[in-house]
Amino acid sequence: GENVEQHPSTLSVQEGDSAVIKCTYSDSASNYFPWYKQELGKRPQLIIDIRSNVGEKKDQRIAVTLNKTAKHFSLHITETQPEDSAVYFCAARPNTGKLIFGQGTTLQVKP
Amino acid sequence: NAGVTQTPKFQVLKTGQSMTLQCAQDMNHNSMYWYRQDPGMGLRLIYYSASEGTTDKGEVPNGYNVSRLNKREFSLRLESAAPSQTSVYFCASSPGRIATYEQYFGPGTRLTVT
Repeated sequence: GENVEQHPSTLSVQEGDSAVIKCTYSDSASNYFPWYKQELGKRPQLIIDIRSNVGEKKDQRIAVTLNKTAKHFSLHITETQPEDSAVYFCAARPNTGKLIFGQGTTLQVKP
Repeated sequence: NAGVTQTPKFQVLKTGQSMTLQCAQDMNHNSMYWYRQDPGMGLRLIYYSASEGTTDKGEVPNGYNVSRLNKREFSLRLESAAPSQTSVYFCASSPGRIATYEQYFGPGTRLTVT
């Protein structure tokens, strides 16, 4: 079945720096790749997603890139702010129709 | 709209006890899901319901049962709780019958089994 590996597990950056989180997936049939943000004690919320027919998608300071050949996708956050501190989860959707989540990355943005 | 609601917010059970976690959504979504979240493990799918009247197993279904009571409600039952089921449980819903739409999560239930 599908397996999603997420790296790094923790990431600490200075405010204003960029942060990059990378995920790799195993099932080449996966066609949908969302990213969720979970603040401490809160529920996960979708921040951006990408489908397999697109290589890159941007939304203000957030971007996601997808490399289908290498089977990896990445989240890029530019000009990080303290409110970006949270746990970020990537996920992939194979043909089974179920989302498979990565293990999560704890991002800390230091002021 | 309340979105996705879950009850209870917190629960402590003794080993062997049973309980039902309740989930409801008011967004007229077709699909509903139950996940568990453990440190370092991400979100793992327990069961899901692609539409009213259907349910299917996820990655970690053992020890759980579900009921899609109607389009709004999807409950998760632990028949005989075990310490390994200590976790945070999230219910989610999405508009489509397949998981290529945003999933909206409930606030979670923190369950401790002693």
